[in-house]
Amino acid sequence: GNSVTQMEGPVTLSEEAFLTINCTYTATGYPSLFWYVQYPGEGLQLLLKATKADDKGSNKGFEATYRKETTSFHLEKGSVQVSDSAVYFCALGGYGGATNKLIFGTGTLLAVQP
Amino acid sequence: DSGVTQTPKHLITATGQRVTLRCSPRSGDLSVYWYQQSLDQGLQFLIQYYNGEERAKGNILERFSAQQFPDLHSELNLSSLELGDSALYFCASSAGTGGTSPYNSPLHFGNGTRLTVT
Repeated sequence: GNSVTQMEGPVTLSEEAFLTINCTYTATGYPSLFWYVQYPGEGLQLLLKATKADDKGSNKGFEATYRKETTSFHLEKGSVQVSDSAVYFCALGGYGGATNKLIFGTGTLLAVQP
Repeated sequence: DSGVTQTPKHLITATGQRVTLRCSPRSGDLSVYWYQQSLDQGLQFLIQYYNGEERAKGNILERFSAQQFPDLHSELNLSSLELGDSALYFCASSAGTGGTSPYNSPLHFGNGTRLTVT
C-alpha cells in the first residue's frame, strides 16, 4: 500500500543553518505530496505542496521538489530561524492535489537554537 | 487561527466509557475530516464527511462512529474505550470534496482534543 517515510528526529540546528528533512514515498499512480507543520499546542498547517513530478512547492523560505525518479520530496530551507522550531510532516495525497485520505509520515521534530 | 474549533480540549475518562468529540469547521467549508495522532501509530486518517454524507473512510475502528449535521458541525463518537485509544484527535475541514476539483482547498486543522483513557 501507499506509505511515507520520514527521517527520524529530533533535528537540532543553530540559527541560520541549512535544513534538510528527508521524505520518501511508496505509491501507485500519480500522488500529490505535501509538507505540513505543527507548532506546539496547535493543529497542522499546510506548508507547501506539489501535485506532479518535477513540481517545486515553496513557502516561507521552505522548498521541496517532487522527484518521481527517486520517489522523494525532501524539505529544505537555506537559513532556519528559532521560530521554525516545530514538527514537520510529509504527506501523500491523491491524484491532482486530492486531500482526502492523506497518508502522513511520522513527523520530524526540528529544534533551532539561537 | 485556522477557524476550525474543537471541543473539548482535554478529556479524561475510564476504560469502557463512551465520549463524544465535537468539531466546527471553518465557515463555508463543507468537508470535515477526523484524524487520530498517537505516539505509536502517528497521524492516521479516520473518516471524512462532505455536506452531511460519508465521503471517505480510513482506519476507523467499529467502536468509533462519526456524523456531520445539517449545520456542518461534526461529532466523533468513541465507545467501549480502551487504554490504546488515548491519543490526540484532530478535526480538519476543507472547502471542496477533497478530490481533484479545481475548487479543492487545503485542509485546515483544529488544535485537537487530547483523550486520556485510564
